Amino acid sequence: KNQVEQSPQSLIILEGKNCTLQCNYTVSPFSNLRWYKQDTGRGPVSLTIMTFSENTKSNGRYTATLDADTKQSSLHITASQLSDSASYICVVSTDRGSTLGRLYFGRGTQLTVWP
Amino acid sequence: SQTIHQWPATLVQPVGSPLSLECTVEGTSNPNLYWYRQAAGRGLQLLFYSVGIGQISSEVPQNLSASRPQDRQFILSSKKLLLSDSGFYLCAWSVRGTQPQHFGDGTRLSIL
Repeated sequence: KNQVEQSPQSLIILEGKNCTLQCNYTVSPFSNLRWYKQDTGRGPVSLTIMTFSENTKSNGRYTATLDADTKQSSLHITASQLSDSASYICVVSTDRGSTLGRLYFGRGTQLTVWP
Repeated sequence: SQTIHQWPATLVQPVGSPLSLECTVEGTSNPNLYWYRQAAGRGLQLLFYSVGIGQISSEVPQNLSASRPQDRQFILSSKKLLLSDSGFYLCAWSVRGTQPQHFGDGTRLSIL
């Protein structure tokens, strides 16, 4: 069964600290993995996208890693800021060039950054 | 640059009333368009997608319908809302042949 599991479900950290969010998937065949950030009451915004051959992708203070062998991904946030408080969603695609890729969404990790 | 607009931002409707949510995209042509629902504590669920005017595909059987009267306009409708239709509805678009990349800010729908 194709699934995307994220952990932890929620996380509280102090401003300035680093944190790592996890995403494990059983989706097959794998095409790519995307991390989104969703602020409360807003739509998700794409942070990174990685294909099978990519191990690391950075976007400012956000660094995503992918291990396609173990089917695991992580999102590392460096020097957290209050504005990082949001839900972070992992999405895996089985798209292999078709018109519409089949997407599998995790339930997200709710990150709260305290001052 | 491309932008996506959804309205209204919030909506409170009684059970049995009709629904119409609108989504428009600017700055691109022939996009793929998507409607998602996000229930509290759950992941995004794809409801409908469209690859062109008048072309609608439904992912899950439900009380809702979608239409695409123009290239960059996507509408989510219902004739009679149910309590279970409450949720956060998101519209998204993508370049043809790729995944949804850009989401609107959503509509929070509450059914009373």
